[in-house]
Amino acid sequence: NAGVTQTPKFRILKIGQSMTLQCAQDMNHNYMYWYRQDPGMGLKLIYYSVGAGITDKGEVPNGYNVSRSTTEDFPLRLELAAPSQTSVYFCASSLAGGRSTDTQYFGPGTRLTVL
Amino acid sequence: DAKTTQPPSMDCAEGRAANLPCNHSTISGNEYVYWYRQIHSQGPQYIIHGLKNNETNEMASLIITEDRKSSTLILPHATLRDTAVYYCIVRVAEGGSQGNLIFGKGTKLSVKP
Repeated sequence: NAGVTQTPKFRILKIGQSMTLQCAQDMNHNYMYWYRQDPGMGLKLIYYSVGAGITDKGEVPNGYNVSRSTTEDFPLRLELAAPSQTSVYFCASSLAGGRSTDTQYFGPGTRLTVL
Repeated sequence: DAKTTQPPSMDCAEGRAANLPCNHSTISGNEYVYWYRQIHSQGPQYIIHGLKNNETNEMASLIITEDRKSSTLILPHATLRDTAVYYCIVRVAEGGSQGNLIFGKGTKLSVKP
């Protein structure tokens, strides 16, 4: 299994541009998450999904959109990029969501800079 | 906000046990203690979790005090590859709706030769 994969690894955007961060998992996990991590800080939840067709906002959803058309894929869309969105973005997945046995598996991250 | 308090940094000699403390004085009865770590520039990695009993796996041991207000993660024989930021997280499980993790700033563990 490849686990959780993310593309691209690095990206530089100009203010106002848009882009989609890709995330895929091959573990047949129901739950998927997008986090962002600013320098020296912990991760903050942007959006999450409990299954195909179902998404919901996390702690910091403004400026982002998501979709979940398949179990495997959970892309994150940035519209009108702003310097405040400069961060490292991590995608994660888990099988059982809120269960005590649940373990989240993280991708390698996408480092985004908005200039 | 994170419901845990951890020291910002700790050092440990290679081959020695690393004991990482975490305070979670407001933990509720249905909240578990989870530990993740993040090696530089990588995604976080699950280590261990527990409710009230001590737990051990191939990576580490988790000691939770009887009142559950604090816990300690123990890496029994730290290696240079254990240098990372360690996050202590409390969250509702067994019926929690979304399962997301709330990360604080963690403890930066530096293992030195």
